[in-house]
Amino acid sequence: EDQVTQSPEALRLQEGESSSLNCSYTVSGLRGLFWYRQDPGKGPEFLFTLYSAGEEKEKERLKATLTKKESFLHITAPKPEDSATYLCAVKTSINTDKLIFGTGTRLQVFP
Amino acid sequence: DAGVIQSPRHEVTEMGQEVTLRCKPISGHDYLFWYRQTMMRGLELLIYFNNNVPIDDSGMPEDRFSAKMPNASFSTLKIQPSEPRDSAVYFCASRRQKGTEAFFGQGTRLTVV
Repeated sequence: EDQVTQSPEALRLQEGESSSLNCSYTVSGLRGLFWYRQDPGKGPEFLFTLYSAGEEKEKERLKATLTKKESFLHITAPKPEDSATYLCAVKTSINTDKLIFGTGTRLQVFP
Repeated sequence: DAGVIQSPRHEVTEMGQEVTLRCKPISGHDYLFWYRQTMMRGLELLIYFNNNVPIDDSGMPEDRFSAKMPNASFSTLKIQPSEPRDSAVYFCASRRQKGTEAFFGQGTRLTVV
């Protein structure tokens, strides 16, 4: 069964303290790995899509990387406004547009 | 563009009642997705449409759930009869045919008492 696991469940950081979130996956095939950010009371907001091992994408203080078994979302010098839940999801086939989501990492950044 | 619009934002209903959730996708988007989010199970895809046609409804939990997309600008998710375990936040999302980025609405928080 296809599975996506995110760790840690929750992470508390001091402003400026860099860290990484993990998304590991066990799937029959990978046709894309997606990162989303979700603020309380809102829908997820798209961040990145990665397709192949070794691929990296950056946006402001965030950098996403992908290996054959997992993806990391690196947060460099975070600010309080980076506080949110970060979700990763995988697409396992070219024949479907279904995404399988992990349960997310809740990030809190304190000033 | 106003983004994906869902209504109502909050719904409280009694067990056994019919509930209808509504979604207006972004104009020009060909795909529409209905998701359910709970603390225990996270975000789960219920059903998705392409050009108003249901493509995959394998995530619809029971026959009590049904979804329609009568035209490109409107979709409904209906639960009849509703049960307390249906309590969750329901999200609608839309996407262009060739795009990878799905845009989510603000969600409908459903509470069945």
